[in-house]
Amino acid sequence: DTGVSQDPRHKITKRGQNVTFRCDPISEHNRLYWYRQTLGQGPEFLTYFQNEAQLEKSRLLSDRFSAERPKGSFSTLEIQRTEQGDSAMYLCASSIWDKPYNEQFFGPGTRLTVL
Amino acid sequence: AQRVTQPEKLLSVFKGAPVELKCNYSYSGSPELFWYVQYSRQRLQLLLRHISRESIKGFTADLNKGETSFHLKKPFAQEEDSAMYYCALVGGGADGLTFGKGTHLIIQP
Repeated sequence: DTGVSQDPRHKITKRGQNVTFRCDPISEHNRLYWYRQTLGQGPEFLTYFQNEAQLEKSRLLSDRFSAERPKGSFSTLEIQRTEQGDSAMYLCASSIWDKPYNEQFFGPGTRLTVL
Repeated sequence: AQRVTQPEKLLSVFKGAPVELKCNYSYSGSPELFWYVQYSRQRLQLLLRHISRESIKGFTADLNKGETSFHLKKPFAQEEDSAMYYCALVGGGADGLTFGKGTHLIIQP
């Protein structure tokens, strides 16, 4: 296991198109997090899962954003009807949940460019 | 609402000089505080967390609840310390990390 992986690494799309990103966490990790990072900012928390349950989704930026983790393993983040303001780096992280201070391991990110 | 403030966008020091990266937080309860680091062309990774009271790569950070600060310090900077540093907190045990905007640390030879 080489850590958290994300696919694709880069995505260029036209405004109005739908995009989907995939995250594969470290295999024994039951928590999976999604973040967005724009230029000059720190990562911004979007949502997270414990196994297949999505425990927090109020931070998703709009109803165009949705995430799934159907079997408690990999997760997908979908953005519908993309806008230029969605251009950012989308980061995934995973952790073992038994304490709030457990380390989150980050993936390399998917860079989205909306033209 | 919880917030993390890193007042310095860029910090440049000479090799061998002391380094202090500032972090202040706003949170109504007792948060868990972290420093994450991102070296050039690498992914974000944990540097240290306050609960562990550890020193990693010569860095330490002390939680000051009175001043709501968690400044990162190193007595003698090394060139390999050049990176982006992010202070972060998690509160309530359930949510994701809240990050500051980051400080770009440059160590000059």
